[in-house]
Amino acid sequence: EDQVTQSPEALRLQEGESSSLNCSYTVSGLRGLFWYRQDPGKGPEFLFTLYSAGEEKEKERLKATLTKKESFLHITAPKPEDSATYLCAVYDYKLSFGAGTTVTVRA
Amino acid sequence: NAGVTQTPKFRILKIGQSMTLQCTQDMNHNYMYWYRQDPGMGLKLIYYSVGAGITDKGEVPNGYNVSRSTTEDFPLRLELAAPSQTSVYFCASPPPGPPISGSDTQYFGPGTRLTVL
Repeated sequence: EDQVTQSPEALRLQEGESSSLNCSYTVSGLRGLFWYRQDPGKGPEFLFTLYSAGEEKEKERLKATLTKKESFLHITAPKPEDSATYLCAVYDYKLSFGAGTTVTVRA
Repeated sequence: NAGVTQTPKFRILKIGQSMTLQCTQDMNHNYMYWYRQDPGMGLKLIYYSVGAGITDKGEVPNGYNVSRSTTEDFPLRLELAAPSQTSVYFCASPPPGPPISGSDTQYFGPGTRLTVL
């Protein structure tokens, strides 16, 4: 059974304080790893897809990287609007999600 | 192109009542999924469908039923509501294969918040 573990559960940052979120996974046949952003009361919003070890994707202050066992979501110089829960999911014809990391950025 | 729509947005049920959560997508996608999300937890897959007439159980199917008579609709049925089914339910419909980076398509519906008392 696919397993996805995210850490830390919660992250409180000062505006401008860069940090990283971790997503470790065990899956029999990884066909993709995805990062989503979820704001309170809303459905997950797709951010990135990573397919193979060594791949990196960037979007504004976010950069996602992938190894054979884990993925990192780096937040560079975060702003308060980056506050959200970030979900990681692995894809093997269906998505298996981690519990998420709730990021709070203080001004 | 509305993407994925869900109704209702909120619902309160009494124990033992039944209801159907509606999910519709206008993207002509074959794949559709139902997830539940409990506080502080990740999304758990309830049921999924790879096309009209085809459904399969996910990780937590007990207490739920689904049907897929059309490509557009994938309703989720709760027959005998229990407090353990209090959760937020999300319907999703990605395109064939993994999502495409940079796409603006919202693959997840806005969710249905269900409380069973």
